[in-house]
Amino acid sequence: AQSVTQLDSQVPVFEEAPVELRCNYSSSVSVYLFWYVQYPNQGLQLLLKYLSGSTLVKGINGFEAEFNKSQTSFHLRKPSVHISDTAEYFCAGLNSGGYQKVTFGTGTKLQVIP
Amino acid sequence: DTGVSQDPRHKITKRGQNVTFRCDPISEHNRLYWYRQTLGQGPEFLTYFQNEAQLEKSRLLSDRFSAERPKGSFSTLEIQRTEQGDSAMYLCASSVTIAGGRGNEQFFGPGTRLTVL
Repeated sequence: AQSVTQLDSQVPVFEEAPVELRCNYSSSVSVYLFWYVQYPNQGLQLLLKYLSGSTLVKGINGFEAEFNKSQTSFHLRKPSVHISDTAEYFCAGLNSGGYQKVTFGTGTKLQVIP
Repeated sequence: DTGVSQDPRHKITKRGQNVTFRCDPISEHNRLYWYRQTLGQGPEFLTYFQNEAQLEKSRLLSDRFSAERPKGSFSTLEIQRTEQGDSAMYLCASSVTIAGGRGNEQFFGPGTRLTVL
């Protein structure tokens, strides 16, 4: 069974500082990995996804993530955050060989401090 | 707007009442998913349709829950005899089959927030 773990429930960071949101996955098969962002009272929006190929994935709003198979990690990074990045971020995984359900982590609330 | 839409956005009901939510997926998407999100948690999978066929149901989907997708278009999620523990955000997502079935992105709707008093 696949699980996705987000190690930090909240991450405060000053505006224009870099940020890293951590995500680890466990699976016995190859996985497809995603990061979603959720603004208050809204649905989820896809930031980026890793399917195969280059391990460094670039997404929207200046975010990027690196797939690291040896460490089973898929951490999300941004070199300089803005106030508008304040939101909750979810790491998620989809088993390549099974049904199409996505398994989400518990989320990390990013709070950008002015 | 051609995204996933959900109706209503908010629903307040009394314990014991029945509620029904609707999801309209992106028109060309053949796959539709329901998730439930409680406070402080990530979304949890409830059920999945491919066209009109319901292919998987989570153990979270008790007998009080039923989902349909007639004609493979919109879907409804009904909760009978609601309980306070049903209070949550109910999210719908849709996707389209990619050749080889690889990692197709799910597009999420804005959700229906249910409050059971």
